[in-house]
Amino acid sequence: DAKTTQPPSMDCAEGRAANLPCNHSTISGNEYVYWYRQIHSQGPQYIIHGLKNNETNEMASLIITEDRKSSTLILPHATLRDTAVYYCIVRVASSGGSNYKLTFGKGTLLTVNP
Amino acid sequence: GAGVSQSPSNKVTEKGKDVELRCDPISGHTALYWYRQSLGQGLEFLIYFQGNSAPDKSGLPSDRFSAERTGGSVSTLTIQRTQQEDSAVYLCASSPEVLGSKNIQYFGAGTRLSVL
Repeated sequence: DAKTTQPPSMDCAEGRAANLPCNHSTISGNEYVYWYRQIHSQGPQYIIHGLKNNETNEMASLIITEDRKSSTLILPHATLRDTAVYYCIVRVASSGGSNYKLTFGKGTLLTVNP
Repeated sequence: GAGVSQSPSNKVTEKGKDVELRCDPISGHTALYWYRQSLGQGLEFLIYFQGNSAPDKSGLPSDRFSAERTGGSVSTLTIQRTQQEDSAVYLCASSPEVLGSKNIQYFGAGTRLSVL
């Protein structure tokens, strides 16, 4: 799986949009971008994933650049409960191999301030 | 519905003792995974179960670690002769599908193991 690079920490004001970047310059054509987050003392929580089109769900939006070498997770109206470590993961989604494993890096600690 | 349930939430044990950690996956999920998260570190894959297939044990750090999944549902991770370096949060996850882009893993809250 391709490696990802994320800033170690970011701050955001409550109610404002949080934009979390991720670089994955070595991503392959069949690799998806997944985002998970981990709130303190909890297990990781799935947020969103995408291949090349932008995606939106009830939690967040995922913007993937045209060359797919980077992406941005957007939390449109951050709340204090969104304070967590956010992980960007790229993974092949095909049959065979050990593609079920999730490889988490260090992620970005997002702190939402009142 | 209920999420992934793990028990106990915390376990303190003495070096050399055996421990068992339990995971109840989401009903209907065919795949089950164990990960370990040491203090300040990322998640480390341990083992994966899918239906009746042989489990992928490639992530188990030593032969003191073993896991089983009975009846395709509940799983138990056993650590024999615990060592201080085994101290970590042990996380269990399950997913409704294994392969493809929709392999979304749902995690439990974990068991925090402390070996004194």
